[in-house]
Amino acid sequence: TQLLEQSPQFLSIQEGENLTVYCNSSSVFSSLQWYRQEPGEGPVLLVTVVTGGEVKKLKRLTFQFGDARKDSSLHITAAQPGDTGLYLCAGGWEGGGADGLTFGKGTHLIIQP
Amino acid sequence: ETGVTQTPRHLVMGMTNKKSLKCEQHLGHNAMYWYKQSAKKPLELMFVYSLEERVENNSVPSRFSPECPNSSHLFLHLHTLQPEDSALYLCASSQALWDSGNTIYFGEGSWLTVV
Repeated sequence: TQLLEQSPQFLSIQEGENLTVYCNSSSVFSSLQWYRQEPGEGPVLLVTVVTGGEVKKLKRLTFQFGDARKDSSLHITAAQPGDTGLYLCAGGWEGGGADGLTFGKGTHLIIQP
Repeated sequence: ETGVTQTPRHLVMGMTNKKSLKCEQHLGHNAMYWYKQSAKKPLELMFVYSLEERVENNSVPSRFSPECPNSSHLFLHLHTLQPEDSALYLCASSQALWDSGNTIYFGEGSWLTVV
C-alpha cells in the first residue's frame, strides 16, 4: 500500500503571510497531483507534476516535486482568504489504473482576514 | 462546475432503508469512480468502471452496490447501512482509466448520514 503523509494537518494564518505544506512518501511516484477542496464541494485539480525536481507555478502557488519523486511541496505567497480549503496531494504510478492514485489525508488551511 | 453532477447532495437514511446515489458526467469520459471521504481518513477508492465494465472493487461491503448503465451514469445503491458508513461520497470521471496524463474530475459529493 502506497502511503502519502501530509503536513501540517491544520494551518491557520493571517492574510498576507507565506506558507508551505508538504506531502511525503517512502514510495516513488510517476506523478503527483495537488487538489483543493472547498467546503461542500469536491476536490478540484490544481496541478500535476511528473518530473523529479519539477517546479510549477500557478499565480501565488508554487509546486515542487522532489528529485527522487517521493515528496512534494506547495508554497503559497501572500495568502488570501480565498485560499482557504483542504489541500490534497495524490500520487500515482504508470499502469496503475484508477488504483494507482493514492490520496493523502490533506492539509486544512484557513486564511484569516 | 466540473461537469460531474451528483444527486442528492444530502441524504439521511435509517439503517433499514434502501436508497441510491446518482452521478452523471457530461464530459464524454469513459471511466467513472466512487470514492468515500470520511473525517480523518484519506479518500478511499470504492469502485471503478471503465466503458461500463467494473474494473475495481476495493473490498467494499456488499451493502454498497454500484451500477453503471452507460458511460455517462453511475449509481451507488445503498441498503442496510451502518452509522459508520456516514461520509461524503464522491463520484469522479476521467477520459480513460487514470494514468499520469489524465485528470480526474470530481463531483460535489453526496453527504450521507446513517441514523
